[in-house]
Amino acid sequence: DTAVSQTPKYLVTQMGNDKSIKCEQNLGHDTMYWYKQDSKKFLKIMFSYNNKELIINETVPNRFSPKSPDKAHLNLHINSLELGDSAVYFCASSLYPRGGTEAFFGQGTRLTVV
Amino acid sequence: AQSVTQPDIHITVSEGASLELRCNYSYGATPYLFWYVQSPGQGLQLLLKYFSGDTLVQGIKGFEAEFKRSQSSFNLRKPSVHWSDAAEYFCAVGAGRGVTGGGNKLTFGTGTQLKVEL
Repeated sequence: DTAVSQTPKYLVTQMGNDKSIKCEQNLGHDTMYWYKQDSKKFLKIMFSYNNKELIINETVPNRFSPKSPDKAHLNLHINSLELGDSAVYFCASSLYPRGGTEAFFGQGTRLTVV
Repeated sequence: AQSVTQPDIHITVSEGASLELRCNYSYGATPYLFWYVQSPGQGLQLLLKYFSGDTLVQGIKGFEAEFKRSQSSFNLRKPSVHWSDAAEYFCAVGAGRGVTGGGNKLTFGTGTQLKVEL
C-alpha cells in the first residue's frame, strides 16, 4: 500500500492552462504539505495544512491554490500556468504539524509547461 | 531563519569505499535534522533523523550520521558504498524542540549527487 500517493505522475500542458495535482495519504496523519523541486533539484516548501486548515503559505503566487477536503487529501490547483512552473511537485504528510515528526513524501508529479 | 548547506554538489566514490557527505546548518536552537535520499524518478526516502540524545544516529541501508553542535554539522557516512547507493542525498533541518507555530517546515540543502564507480 502506497503511503502518500500523487496523481498524475507526469503532466505536460501548455502555458495558460489550469491544472490540478491530487494527493492522498493513508497514514492517518494530521498534516500535509506541498513542496516544489526546481530544475536544480532545490526543494522548497509551498504550503502546509493541518486537519484541513492552512498553516504554512510560503509566498507562493496566487495562481497556486491548495485545497484540503479532508485531512487525508491535499490537492494543488494551478491557474494560468507559466513556463517557470515547470518542476517536480512533492506531496508529503506527517503525524503532527510540529518539528520532530517525520515527513513521508510521495513519488512526485513532474509538471512540464510548454 | 534556518538554512542548510551541502558543500559538495557531486561526489564520486568506488564501490566498497567509504563515504562521507557533508551538511552544515544554521538554526537558532537545537534543530531536528534529517537525511533523505532520492533515487532517479523517485520520491524522497528518509535515511535517518536526529532529534535528541546520542549524537551518532543509525539509519537504514547502513548509513549513519553524527550531530556536532560545535561545528553545526550533521554529516552522513557509510563505511562501504554499494552501487545501489547512487542517488541524490538531501540534508534537511526542521523546527527544533520547543518551537511553536510555523508548522513542521523542512528546509533542505541543495543536495549532493552520489555516483558510484564499479
